[in-house]
Amino acid sequence: DTGVSQDPRHKITKRGQNVTFRCDPISEHNRLYWYRQTLGQGPEFLTYFQNEAQLEKSRLLSDRFSAERPKGSFSTLEIQRTEQGDSAMYLCASSLGGQAYEQYFGPGTRLTVT
Amino acid sequence: AQKVTQAQTEISVVEKEDVTLDCVYETRDTTYYLFWYKQPPSGELVFLIRRNSFDEQNEISGRYSWNFQKSTSSFNFTITASQVVDSAVYFCALSDDTYGGSQGNLIFGKGTKLSVKP
Repeated sequence: DTGVSQDPRHKITKRGQNVTFRCDPISEHNRLYWYRQTLGQGPEFLTYFQNEAQLEKSRLLSDRFSAERPKGSFSTLEIQRTEQGDSAMYLCASSLGGQAYEQYFGPGTRLTVT
Repeated sequence: AQKVTQAQTEISVVEKEDVTLDCVYETRDTTYYLFWYKQPPSGELVFLIRRNSFDEQNEISGRYSWNFQKSTSSFNFTITASQVVDSAVYFCALSDDTYGGSQGNLIFGKGTKLSVKP
């Protein structure tokens, strides 16, 4: 399977705990995006990488959120001191380039903060 | 400001009916891209089509067709002879260069939930 993969698929955590999600993009894709989707809404952009460089972060990405993409391969998204409002589906997507290229999405990680 | 509006929250049709999903967008850029994605009950977003702002030709792919009209800032999606497997949430999305550098992040509408009943 050469699509985008994400791990874990589901995560339940208690408020205040830290969580980390992983995304493995399609191998030849140099762009990697993170989005968040809440119930009944479209995905909202969080951040993106061009190879290993994080080039943009949305206002939605508070200081408790951090993302990395070491060596321009897989990426991790960490949320520290989780809050109930962080409960959402976290989606990863990859593409060959910028706006002209379609993004391919992974299955997402559903986070529930209790 | 960039914005995508999908005014239809939910649509229900009977199999074999045609259905059109509306999408209206806002952008100040002259170069932009429009996309449609399908999100079936399994949850994974599936890419359907990309269209750039300089190409207003309509496109047909099997039972799917897309109508892009810059004059009305619309990019509507029609499914002909709908099938139960078409049941999903459909998202329209915009990518422009508001922030420069060909950022490429997608701005999504809220989606339209399509239910096709047998």
